[in-house]
Amino acid sequence: AQSVSQHNHHVILSEAASLELGCNYSYGGTVNLFWYVQYPGQHLQLLLKYFSGDPLVKGIKGFEAEFIKSKFSFNLRKPSVQWSDTAEYFCAVNAPGYSSASKIIFGSGTRLSIRP
Amino acid sequence: DSGVTQTPKHLITATGQRVTLRCSPRSGDLSVYWYQQSLDQGLQFLIHYYNGEERAKGNILERFSAQQFPDLHSELNLSSLELGDSALYFCASSPQRGGTSGYNEQFFGPGTRLTVL
Repeated sequence: AQSVSQHNHHVILSEAASLELGCNYSYGGTVNLFWYVQYPGQHLQLLLKYFSGDPLVKGIKGFEAEFIKSKFSFNLRKPSVQWSDTAEYFCAVNAPGYSSASKIIFGSGTRLSIRP
Repeated sequence: DSGVTQTPKHLITATGQRVTLRCSPRSGDLSVYWYQQSLDQGLQFLIHYYNGEERAKGNILERFSAQQFPDLHSELNLSSLELGDSALYFCASSPQRGGTSGYNEQFFGPGTRLTVL
């Protein structure tokens, strides 16, 4: 079965620090990968997505992620975080081509706290 | 704003009761997904409908049911409510059919926060 692991449960950084949030998935076939962000009290918003092509994906608000197929990873990065990036971040995977592909499997989330 | 709307925003009810959550997908989207987000279980997929038909089921309890109507809005019915059903229920919509049709990007609504007392 597909699964998504986010090993960092809570990350605390100072403003202007660089960010990298880890995401690993377990599925050997073609995958679609997503990072969603949930700001306090708000709904999930798509940060970026990977379907195919360039494994370095750029999203909104200066975020990017790199798909490394050999490592089954899709880590999220931002060179310089801001206080407004305080939120919960979810990595998600979808595997098209199979009957269970309708659903997106979410990781457990990483809470990011930025100190002003 | 994703274009997906959910009502009500908050719902407080008692154990044993039944509630209905409503979702309107983005204009033109035929797929509707329901998710439950709780502190202990994280974000769990419940069910997927495409153009009125059930496409996939996830961790949905037998006490829960859903349907998608001809106008494409969807309702999630939760019955015999228990304390553990307290959670945030998200609906998401997608223009894609899901399954083998290729990529599947979902747009999430603001959620309904259900509190069971």
